[in-house]
Amino acid sequence: SYVLTQPPSVSVAPGQTARITCGGNNIGSKSVHWYQQKPGQAPVLVVYDDSDRPSGIPERFSGSNSGNTATLTISRVEAGDEADYYCQVWDSSSDYVFGTGTKVTVL
Amino acid sequence: EVQLVQSGAEVKKPGESLKISCKGSGYSFTSYWIGWVRQMPGKGLEWMGIIYPGDSDTRYSPSFQGQVTISADKSISTAYLQWSSLKASDTAMYYCARGEGEAAAGDYWGQGTLVTVSS
Repeated sequence: SYVLTQPPSVSVAPGQTARITCGGNNIGSKSVHWYQQKPGQAPVLVVYDDSDRPSGIPERFSGSNSGNTATLTISRVEAGDEADYYCQVWDSSSDYVFGTGTKVTVL
Repeated sequence: EVQLVQSGAEVKKPGESLKISCKGSGYSFTSYWIGWVRQMPGKGLEWMGIIYPGDSDTRYSPSFQGQVTISADKSISTAYLQWSSLKASDTAMYYCARGEGEAAAGDYWGQGTLVTVSS
């Protein structure tokens, strides 16, 4: 089955840039989606199809995908961005798969 | 307004059966898939399976194949996740999500249903 690997945690100061990686075999050939989940809440889609943003998601959230790594970038980080973030892809052998998740802490 | 509204929290004993629901509104229910996601306490998201309500095509993640049943009643725009014999390890939050087409993102999510299985 297809495996997606994320760092367990990322720490960032307010106003700085957070980068969350999602590693998978030739992930650059797949569409990657990113979700934000705050404590006690359902996940929210923040980036889809590698780099598109749903309406209502700030431009501070952006995505890229190439080779074996996809990246979610959060610019000008705010306290309200503190959450768990998950990547997701669809794979023909595994159907949908989630990454292991990354906890973003705003210092 | 698009909404996915899930049924309320459940407390069950091991061996009991359970069926939870996810009702869609504000969109064409048969034009989007419904997926189910498990989140065990303090853990990450796990994809369980998917149903296309238009034709009832259903697929399960290998980890959940044979453990749960996913179904839908398009006449009432509702998808279901059911267990025939619960185990303590089924204790988790369960979310439904919708998406449009294969490989699409889950753009709307239900609020979650907490299932607690304890003797």
